[in-house]
Amino acid sequence: GQNIDQPTEMTATEGAIVQINCTYQTSGFNGLFWYQQHAGEAPTFLSYNVLDGLEEKGRFSSFLSRSKGYSYLLLKELQMKDSASYLCAVRDHPGGSYIPTFGRGTSLIVHP
Amino acid sequence: DVKVTQSSRYLVKRTGEKVFLECVQDMDHENMFWYRQDPGLGLRLIYFSYDVKMKEKGDIPEGYSVSREKKERFSLILESASTNQTSMYLCASTNIAGAETQYFGPGTRLLVL
Repeated sequence: GQNIDQPTEMTATEGAIVQINCTYQTSGFNGLFWYQQHAGEAPTFLSYNVLDGLEEKGRFSSFLSRSKGYSYLLLKELQMKDSASYLCAVRDHPGGSYIPTFGRGTSLIVHP
Repeated sequence: DVKVTQSSRYLVKRTGEKVFLECVQDMDHENMFWYRQDPGLGLRLIYFSYDVKMKEKGDIPEGYSVSREKKERFSLILESASTNQTSMYLCASTNIAGAETQYFGPGTRLLVL
């Protein structure tokens, strides 16, 4: 089975930097995804990590440490529109499964 | 651009009704998924399909069935809707290797009275 943990809620100030952590325990590992989901909308893809290290994409970066079962999503220069839920999803690889398991999501509130 | 569409954004049904939720994707993806999303519980997998006429149970299949008669279309069926099936339902698709992200539809918010 899989166990994925992320904080339920975080708040931050516009213009600041915020780090959303995700820890996981899986029988195998075949990639970790971060999604953004605004209220009432579908999740949209942000990043994918399969090797250790930092992946940077504009204001958003994602980090992975496979040995620690740990990832974080870093959001810089926060904007009000970044207020959303951020979902961590891990794909293990038992028998070739490609299906990710989702964490419960972190609700980020950005205030002026 | 990958497009995943769902037949309804909002749906209101009565207890005991049979409910069909349809999902269509235009990227020739082999794999399609149905999730439900509830506050505090996150996304939970109901059923998935890796090919036409093939289906596999996810984590919470009870009270649901699915149909995949064509590659682009994956239907979720609530045989007899109950109030505890009030939820947001999300469809997703991905390619055969699953190497890329899942692409999600806009979701159907179902209310069962």
